[in-house]
Amino acid sequence: SQQGEEDPQALSIQEGENATMNCSYKTSINNLQWYRQNSGRGLVHLILIRSNEREKHSGRLRVTLDTSKKSSSLLITASRAADTASYFCGCAVGSRLTFGEGTQLTVNP
Amino acid sequence: DAGITQSPRYKITETGRQVTLMCHQTWSHSYMFWYRQDLGHGLRLIYYSAAADITDKGEVPDGYVVSRSKTENFPLTLESATRSQTSVYFCASSESIYSGNTIYFGEGSWLTVV
Repeated sequence: SQQGEEDPQALSIQEGENATMNCSYKTSINNLQWYRQNSGRGLVHLILIRSNEREKHSGRLRVTLDTSKKSSSLLITASRAADTASYFCGCAVGSRLTFGEGTQLTVNP
Repeated sequence: DAGITQSPRYKITETGRQVTLMCHQTWSHSYMFWYRQDLGHGLRLIYYSAAADITDKGEVPDGYVVSRSKTENFPLTLESATRSQTSVYFCASSESIYSGNTIYFGEGSWLTVV
C-alpha cells in the first residue's frame, strides 16, 4: 500500500495567497521529499526534509515534519499562477521512495 | 545532454504483446526506479535497483520484468501486455534515497494497450 497520503486532493486559491498541503504517512521514514508535476511531465524535486529535522525553507517554500504525528506540510507563500501543478510527497524508507495521490493546486490569476 | 532519458515516449501495443521500455541515465547513479502513473493518480513503484545486477520489487511488480546489467540502463519489460497496464511510466535515478539525495525523473513513456 502507498505510504504517503496528501490532503487536500485539490486546492484552488487566488494569486498572492498562501497554499498549504499536507502529507501523512504510515511507517517510520528516513526522509520526506516534496515534488511538483506539471501536466504531462515528469516530477521535479522541490525540497527534502530529513527525519531528524522539523522545518526547512527554500525560497517561497516551507516544509515541516512532525514524526510523532507522521505528517508533513508544504507551504507555498505568495502563490503565482505558475505554481499551478500537482504536488506529491515522497516517503523514503530504506532504498524505496513511494508517493501518495497528490494535491492538485490551481492558482487563479 | 546529460540526464535521464526514456524511450519510446509514446507506444501503442496490442494485448498479449511484449513491450520493453528503455531508461538510460548519464550520471552513474546507483539507484534506478520504475513508476507507473494512471490518469489522475499518483505514482506507484514497480521495481527499483540499488546497483547493477541488484533489483527488487516495489508496490506493483506483477506483470513486469526488469534487468540491470549496466549501471546506466534499466529496461522495463511487460511480458504480455494487458489493458490494465495502460499508463504513463516514469523512470528515475538517484545516488542514494537513504542519504537524502534528490531523485531525478525522466519525462515519461506513455503506453496504451489496446
